[in-house]
Amino acid sequence: NAGVTQTPKFRVLKTGQSMTLLCAQDMNHEYMYWYRQDPGMGLRLIHYSVGEGTTAKGEVPDGYNVSRLKKQNFLLGLESAAPSQTSVYFCASSYSAGLNTGELFFGEGSRLTVL
Amino acid sequence: GENVEQHPSTLSVQEGDSAVIKCTYSDSASNYFPWYKQELGKGPQLIIDIRSNVGEKKDQRIAVTLNKTAKHFSLHITETQPEDSAVYFCAASKSSASKIIFGSGTRLSIRP
Repeated sequence: NAGVTQTPKFRVLKTGQSMTLLCAQDMNHEYMYWYRQDPGMGLRLIHYSVGEGTTAKGEVPDGYNVSRLKKQNFLLGLESAAPSQTSVYFCASSYSAGLNTGELFFGEGSRLTVL
Repeated sequence: GENVEQHPSTLSVQEGDSAVIKCTYSDSASNYFPWYKQELGKGPQLIIDIRSNVGEKKDQRIAVTLNKTAKHFSLHITETQPEDSAVYFCAASKSSASKIIFGSGTRLSIRP
């Protein structure tokens, strides 16, 4: 059972380039999230999805776009990368929310460097 | 929106001693408070959580306490061991929403 898988694990971009991070989960979870982790700032929510075909903004959505075309996949896109987007990105999924807010299952992270 | 503050940012304790990490939250409607542990090079993992209908929860050497009036909650680790060295995150969430907001993290080091 793979759980939450992120690809790629490492990427170096030049300013202005675009890229997509892919998150795949095999636990049939409804909810999926993208967070970024920066030193001293913890985990900040970028975007999240409560189901196939739906997305919503988190705390720091600017400069990112997301899509959830299939329940098992959640894509994070950077249209024009900036050095401020250098970070470690984590995808997570959850089996429930609302009254029974569930445990988040995280991937192992994707380290992105923008030069 | 919700804001979660976490202290201290770093903590060093002698093996066998206790460690306490504290968090405060801003949204009085929040009612779910998980704690995550992140080991080097890995994603965070849930270690314990508490909901607003209880004031304390224990699981072996770890415990969480919640004070809803003061809007703060704490993680207590007793009899610390080397494998407790990691970064710990607190978080808060409302039952009516699906966003889980994290604190800034505490790097815990256990001295032999």
